Amino acid sequence: SQKIEQNSEALNIQEGKTATLTCNYTNYSPAYLQWYRQDPGRGPVFLLLIRENEKEKRKERLKVTFDTTLKQSLFHITASQPADSATYLCALSYSSASKIIFGSGTRLSIRP
Amino acid sequence: EPEVTQTPSHQVTQMGQEVILRCVPISNHLYFYWYRQILGQKVEFLVSFYNNEISEKSEIFDDQFSVERPDGSNFTLKIRSTKLEDSAMYFCASSESNGYTFGSGTRLTVV
Repeated sequence: SQKIEQNSEALNIQEGKTATLTCNYTNYSPAYLQWYRQDPGRGPVFLLLIRENEKEKRKERLKVTFDTTLKQSLFHITASQPADSATYLCALSYSSASKIIFGSGTRLSIRP
Repeated sequence: EPEVTQTPSHQVTQMGQEVILRCVPISNHLYFYWYRQILGQKVEFLVSFYNNEISEKSEIFDDQFSVERPDGSNFTLKIRSTKLEDSAMYFCASSESNGYTFGSGTRLTVV
């Protein structure tokens, strides 16, 4: 069955450092990979989408890579800030409008 | 920035009762979805809706559930006879083609 694993349940890093979150998947060949941020009691907020033919995408302090051979995506937040503390969700889909399958998320804490 | 609006934010209902969760998607979006998240678990897909019909549904979305777009703006999820295990956050989302916009959710508590 399709499986999405996010590297760790929780990640704690020092403010100013780069946070790197990992998403691995098996038994799936997604065309699109997305990253969302979720704060407690709130809905997921879309951050970035990357297509299978794209290796890397950037948006301000965020960078996503997508390696379809390794079946892995890396999500980087550079110059991290306490306000970046949240749960980050990896999500896969076959098309830009089909259902998305979420990973269980990584809870990121940035300490001052 | 355009938003997906969900009402109510919190609904408490007795087991066996029917509930209707309401959503107003972003006006120019064509694809609509319902997801749920049981406390402490991952966000799960329930159903997608396009061109006034269901395009895909999960195993969770059984005969107890139905969706409707009664007019040009609202999108509803009906749960016919609620069970204790239906307690969860229910999220509506809409999409054009580049990422989903989620609402803030309805917390459903079945007692």
